[in-house]
Amino acid sequence: RKEVEQDPGPFNVPEGATVAFNCTYSNSASQSFFWYRQDCRKEPKLLMSVYSSGNEDGRFTAQLNRASQYISLLIRDSKLSDSATYLCVVTTDSWGKLQFGAGTQVVVTP
Amino acid sequence: GAGVSQSPSNKVTEKGKDVELRCDPISGHTALYWYRQSLGQGLEFLIYFQGNSAPDKSGLPSDRFSAERTGGSVSTLTIQRTQQEDSAVYLCASRNLVAGPYEQYFGPGTRLTVT
Repeated sequence: RKEVEQDPGPFNVPEGATVAFNCTYSNSASQSFFWYRQDCRKEPKLLMSVYSSGNEDGRFTAQLNRASQYISLLIRDSKLSDSATYLCVVTTDSWGKLQFGAGTQVVVTP
Repeated sequence: GAGVSQSPSNKVTEKGKDVELRCDPISGHTALYWYRQSLGQGLEFLIYFQGNSAPDKSGLPSDRFSAERTGGSVSTLTIQRTQQEDSAVYLCASRNLVAGPYEQYFGPGTRLTVT
């Protein structure tokens, strides 16, 4: 079983709509949680950290459910520029080693 | 300021040859990580450096893989006797442990193709 699992998608989303997706992690000792964004043939870039209380950054909302070991990302008012692969990432050690899910592809259409 | 840089950006090599991949982290970042992303796969951790030491090299897939870091800055990942399954994008990331505990900044990667 993979440490971090995601629905690969693609999620096809009309421009302006809302899309949400989850990921699950297997290690209950996971310490920190993130969503990264990766555009085609580019390096991953941090989108947002995920906190237990949930957090919002503009049109993006992230939630963490430690009891059920899942993380969610919601994108409101989708823009064409939101088309990307969204990587769910956790850390389980003090070194900060990142463990990545395989990514969820989002395609926003006009 | 300058971000993480990696060279070469692309490398094609014949099976059995050795390759060296270079990473220049952001100046002042003491932590450096190597990951690789194979086609259709997620990123997988290879090795972590704190300064010039590698306290975690658990992700190196075989003894053909090695890495070093000198002067607390540049790092080189070496793959000996390359195999076709080594084909992947090799990504380097660095982190400032003082100013930003967990944000890792990634370089653009080296795309390695073993023929």
